[in-house]
Amino acid sequence: ELKVEQNPLFLSMQEGKNYTIYCNYSTTSDRLYWYRQDPGKSLESLFVLLSNGAVKQEGRLMASLDTKARLSTLHITAAVHDLSATYFCAVDKGRSNYKLTFGKGTLLTVNP
Amino acid sequence: KAGVTQTPRYLIKTRGQQVTLSCSPISGHRSVSWYQQTPGQGLQFLFEYFSETQRNKGNFPGRFSGRQFSNSRSEMNVSTLELGDSALYLCASSVGQLMNTEAFFGQGTRLTVV
Repeated sequence: ELKVEQNPLFLSMQEGKNYTIYCNYSTTSDRLYWYRQDPGKSLESLFVLLSNGAVKQEGRLMASLDTKARLSTLHITAAVHDLSATYFCAVDKGRSNYKLTFGKGTLLTVNP
Repeated sequence: KAGVTQTPRYLIKTRGQQVTLSCSPISGHRSVSWYQQTPGQGLQFLFEYFSETQRNKGNFPGRFSGRQFSNSRSEMNVSTLELGDSALYLCASSVGQLMNTEAFFGQGTRLTVV
């Protein structure tokens, strides 16, 4: 059974600081996704990582994937309050397709 | 381009009743997946439909069922509701082809069972 673990589950940080959220998964996978969820809202797709060594950046967020280590990271640079949300990573085993297994999410709070 | 539309947005039902939720995918998308989100269990996969066929199913009891119509719209049904079925139900649509796998989520239906 595929398991996805995120850490930390709660992250409180100051504006302007950097931090990394980690996502480990238990079995080989071809695809890893990062989503953002604001309170009471749906999931917003941030990144889709498709291959080993993939790195994608959007604004203050950068995601990377190491398939050999079964690890993805979401790095936050110079955090701002608007980044406060819950971040989920999700893994698709690939061959089974369209059956995402999610981590428990990281609740990020950026304080002024 | 219209996004994924879920109706209704909110529902309150009584234990033992049944409920039907609807999801209209993005135009051109043929795959619809359903997820249940609760504070305790997080996001869990229910099932996925592609071209009116269920391709994948999660570990949920038979009370949870779904279907997809020829226009790719999907419905999810829960029978004999239990208190533990209270959750945010999200559907996601994608093109459904092997190399194009990004899924876009709807706003969700928040179901409360009393």
